[in-house]
Amino acid sequence: AQSVTQLDSQVPVFEEAPVELRCNYSSSVSVYLFWYVQYPNQGLQLLLKYLSGSTLVKGINGFEAEFNKSQTSFHLRKPSVHISDTAEYFCAVSDPGNFNKFYFGSGTKLNVKP
Amino acid sequence: NAGVMQNPRHLVRRRGQEARLRCSPMKGHSHVYWYRQLPEEGLKFMVYLQKENIIDESGMPKERFSAEFPKEGPSILRIQQVVRGDSAAYFCASSPTGMNTEAFFGQGTRLTVV
Repeated sequence: AQSVTQLDSQVPVFEEAPVELRCNYSSSVSVYLFWYVQYPNQGLQLLLKYLSGSTLVKGINGFEAEFNKSQTSFHLRKPSVHISDTAEYFCAVSDPGNFNKFYFGSGTKLNVKP
Repeated sequence: NAGVMQNPRHLVRRRGQEARLRCSPMKGHSHVYWYRQLPEEGLKFMVYLQKENIIDESGMPKERFSAEFPKEGPSILRIQQVVRGDSAAYFCASSPTGMNTEAFFGQGTRLTVV
């Protein structure tokens, strides 16, 4: 089974500052990679996904992520955050032998301060 | 096109009662997935169903939990004789194919066992 590690449980950052949320996964074979955002008491909304092709993936709300196969990482970045980006962010990986399910990280709470 | 609809949004049950969680997939989606999010944790896969069939239930607890997705109507996740440890958010996702690359999540049902 896959394991997904999000090293930072909480990331405080000031508004308009850049941010990087880290994600590492365990598999060395081809996988699909995802970032989801969860606002308080809401469901998960897909930010972006990597299936193949360019290693730099652009998503909604100005977020982007870079797939690094050698480091098995898929870090999420935004050059300038807004108060409205305050939420919890989850990295997810597809099982390489079974694309029917996700393995999720434990989440990173992004707290954007004015 | 309405999104994935889950109800109820919040459910309170006393220990020993039954909990029934419903998930109506997006129109045209015949694949449903259930995930559980325990407090301060990421989502964990429970079960994957296609109309009238359970495809993968590797994440389901062996006892008290069951799921179905009948030909007509929503998918149901049923928890019998609930215990405090069942308190969690339960999320449903649906997909038009068996690939989670096209999955959309509902807003979840938050179950509290008192």
